[in-house]
Amino acid sequence: DTGVSQDPRHKITKRGQNVTFRCDPISEHNRLYWYRQTLGQGPEFLTYFQNEAQLEKSRLLSDRFSAERPKGSFSTLEIQRTEQGDSAMYLCASSSQLRNTEAFFGQGTRLTVV
Amino acid sequence: AQSVTQLDSHVSVSEGTPVLLRCNYSSSYSPSLFWYVQHPNKGLQLLLKYTSAATLVKGINGFEAEFKKSETSFHLTKPSAHMSDAAEYFCVVSDSLNTGNQFYFGTGTSLTVIP
Repeated sequence: DTGVSQDPRHKITKRGQNVTFRCDPISEHNRLYWYRQTLGQGPEFLTYFQNEAQLEKSRLLSDRFSAERPKGSFSTLEIQRTEQGDSAMYLCASSSQLRNTEAFFGQGTRLTVV
Repeated sequence: AQSVTQLDSHVSVSEGTPVLLRCNYSSSYSPSLFWYVQHPNKGLQLLLKYTSAATLVKGINGFEAEFKKSETSFHLTKPSAHMSDAAEYFCVVSDSLNTGNQFYFGTGTSLTVIP
């Protein structure tokens, strides 16, 4: 068990470009969450998957944001036409419904839009 | 709806003195409650969790928290602060781990430990 891993750890992009982040959850975890954290704030919920189904989306998740978990394992978060306000740390977490666990977080992807 | 209020954005204590980080929650259900710690440039790490078992929960690094339903509180304590405890602490509530709903974070408390 290597924990939740996220790639890349850092991303700098120009405004208007598209970016995609990847999250690999802990292997036996069927639940996967995406959060966004800005400086000095707590993580804010973006979306949640149970297996491959996206069960909940925050109103924070504008139509420029899309998340997928096609095989119920890894997940991707894509941001289209990035804006400076998208600059943040994007956190992925996973948990196990069977074991009734808390959320285990990855190290995050820090996005800077210039 | 679920929410968490961390009553102090910053707490400063001297090394060796007690730590108290306050958290109040709001939940429509029987909540699960957590404390996470975030050191600079590190990921979020679970300190402890309450999931409807014993109301006094012991966590890692000497931290404890007590679930008080009548006060809707889940304050985090440690008898004696260590320099390595300096970090950001988040109180988190979830409806129930069974439902798998999202985890709601407080805005965080920054703990400073003075040598």
